[in-house]
Amino acid sequence: QKEVEQNSGPLSVPEGAIASLNCTYSDRGSQSFFWYRQYSGKSPELIMSIYSNGDKEDGRFTAQLNKASQYVSLLIRDSQPSDSATYLCAALNTGFQKLVFGTGTRLLVSP
Amino acid sequence: GAGVSQTPSNKVTEKGKYVELRCDPISGHTALYWYRQSLGQGPEFLIYFQGTGAADDSGLPNDRFFAVRPEGSVSTLKIQRTERGDSAVYLCASSRGSGTGELFFGEGSRLTVL
Repeated sequence: QKEVEQNSGPLSVPEGAIASLNCTYSDRGSQSFFWYRQYSGKSPELIMSIYSNGDKEDGRFTAQLNKASQYVSLLIRDSQPSDSATYLCAALNTGFQKLVFGTGTRLLVSP
Repeated sequence: GAGVSQTPSNKVTEKGKYVELRCDPISGHTALYWYRQSLGQGPEFLIYFQGTGAADDSGLPNDRFFAVRPEGSVSTLKIQRTERGDSAVYLCASSRGSGTGELFFGEGSRLTVL
């Protein structure tokens, strides 16, 4: 079992819709979670972090964390074609030494 | 520069050769990470430095891989006796300190082993 699991997609949504990206993790000791966006041929960039149960909103992005279910999600409202990218979920491991990434979910937003 | 700088951006080598990949982190960032990313996969952790010392090298796949950060800034990832399976993009990232998942990545060094 991988430490962080994501559906590889692609997830296809029309412009203006809500895109929902999901992630599960296996290390119950993980405390901090992150979403990175990676455009094709580019390096990952941090878009959201979440540290406690519940929702965290930042503009069109909402991160959700449920530690009991070991589940993290990212909602993108009013999706734009420029949101088309791979979204990487990551968990900071129990020793707070390394960030463990999932395989990423590819999002395609069609005009 | 303002961001993490990695050189070379592309490296093509032959099986069995030695390669070095360099990373210059954001000024003032004490933590430095190396990841490896293959096509269609997420970044795979290799090694993490806090200052000059390797705080966690558990991701290095075998003893052909070695990394240093002698002065607590620039880091070099060294790969001996390269194999075709080493072909990947090698990503370097830095952060302000340890215990944070807020990493700033360089553009990567694409290694191709023929």
